[in-house]
Amino acid sequence: AQKVTQAQTEISVVEKEDVTLDCVYETRDTTYYLFWYKQPPSGELVFLIRRNSFDEQNEISGRYSWNFQKSTSSFNFTITASQVVDSAVYFCALSRGGGGNKLTFGTGTQLKVEL
Amino acid sequence: GAVVSQHPSWVICKSGTSVKIECRSLDFQATTMFWYRQFPKQSLMLMATSNEGSKATYEQGVEKDKFLINHASLTLSTLTVTSAHPEDSSFYICSARKYGQDSYEQYFGPGTRLTVT
Repeated sequence: AQKVTQAQTEISVVEKEDVTLDCVYETRDTTYYLFWYKQPPSGELVFLIRRNSFDEQNEISGRYSWNFQKSTSSFNFTITASQVVDSAVYFCALSRGGGGNKLTFGTGTQLKVEL
Repeated sequence: GAVVSQHPSWVICKSGTSVKIECRSLDFQATTMFWYRQFPKQSLMLMATSNEGSKATYEQGVEKDKFLINHASLTLSTLTVTSAHPEDSSFYICSARKYGQDSYEQYFGPGTRLTVT
């Protein structure tokens, strides 16, 4: 069975602070994919990143960066210099090899960025 | 490209009535569509996987007779909530996987908020 744990239910930061959202996963598959999605108040999911299990390189995209560590089964997400527009619920998700298969979502982390 | 729409975006219905929600891939063909349900402040839970031209595969605990899914074409899947009750009030989200491409992404619709009174 696959499982995704996001232990942080809610995080509040002041604008321009850096913030890291944690994600720990469980799977018996050797090939799998990890995702991060953003869900603003409107409800529509916004795709942020996909990472396959064979690629442990960290990735940076603007103010966003991701740290994938298979040794600890973690796929953490860091926002640098947070902005109010980053306020949303962030979900980490896992799928089996092939990626287009069904997603198992974590419980989400509500990020609130205040002025 | 890869836009998925849902209709309606929100709906209010009376207890005991049925509601149909449409999920359309606007600029691509989708062999597989997924239906998720999200309760307030909770995660997305997969309800069923829908493949074009075949019966949907439901997740454990999801009543197939209550949540009827039809995937009649490569661009349309529908979810019908039959005999809706207040506990069915939720945010329903669909996603679609592209046909003919080993896509690693699911393209999500904007969701449909259902309120049963």
